[in-house]
Amino acid sequence: DAGVIQSPRHEVTEMGQEVTLRCKPISGHDYLFWYRQTMMRGLELLIYFNNNVPIDDSGMPEDRFSAKMPNASFSTLKIQPSEPRDSAVYFCASSSPYYRAPSTDTQYFGPGTRLTVL
Amino acid sequence: SQQGEEDPQALSIQEGENATMNCSYKTSINNLQWYRQNSGRGLVHLILIRSNEREKHSGRLRVTLDTSKKSSSLLITASRAADTASYFCASSSNTGKLIFGQGTTLQVKP
Repeated sequence: DAGVIQSPRHEVTEMGQEVTLRCKPISGHDYLFWYRQTMMRGLELLIYFNNNVPIDDSGMPEDRFSAKMPNASFSTLKIQPSEPRDSAVYFCASSSPYYRAPSTDTQYFGPGTRLTVL
Repeated sequence: SQQGEEDPQALSIQEGENATMNCSYKTSINNLQWYRQNSGRGLVHLILIRSNEREKHSGRLRVTLDTSKKSSSLLITASRAADTASYFCASSSNTGKLIFGQGTTLQVKP
């Protein structure tokens, strides 16, 4: 398996533009997570899905952020409109549930998308 | 904050020395995991210890867990320059998500 795939790897955009980040989880994984990492705030969980259904979106900063998972192999995180304070590295991760042997909810992270909003 | 706490925040040692990082968490757990993050990369799983285990080894890594104190430690023995990275603990409590600590940045000087 290729692991978790994220695109683009780098995104530079101007304030007010729409940004869409994409993620392909590992095949067979039931959970998908979106994180944001900054120097100031560390690693923050934004939202996670189980079997394509959003379970907890309490970490989504505001209405400008939205995430979808239309099928088991694809998810998007959209920011509209983008602001300079959204600049960060966004990670997608996937896992199998803890009760499914031999997996134990270990998360597999993608390489991240570095977003810069000017 | 839901995040666990780690200390120290930063650690600098010489190659060959041991590095110890500590982690505290807030809720009852199913397991506790440690991850490593090299600069500019995603997190990579290192080792997992279940709530009914007290110590676990994997190569040069040794993890301990004290559920009564809600704490864990990661020991890296005979450190190498290539161990330079950030290390995160993450607690799992059967909700499907992990609660990550704030991380310890380790620098191993050659």
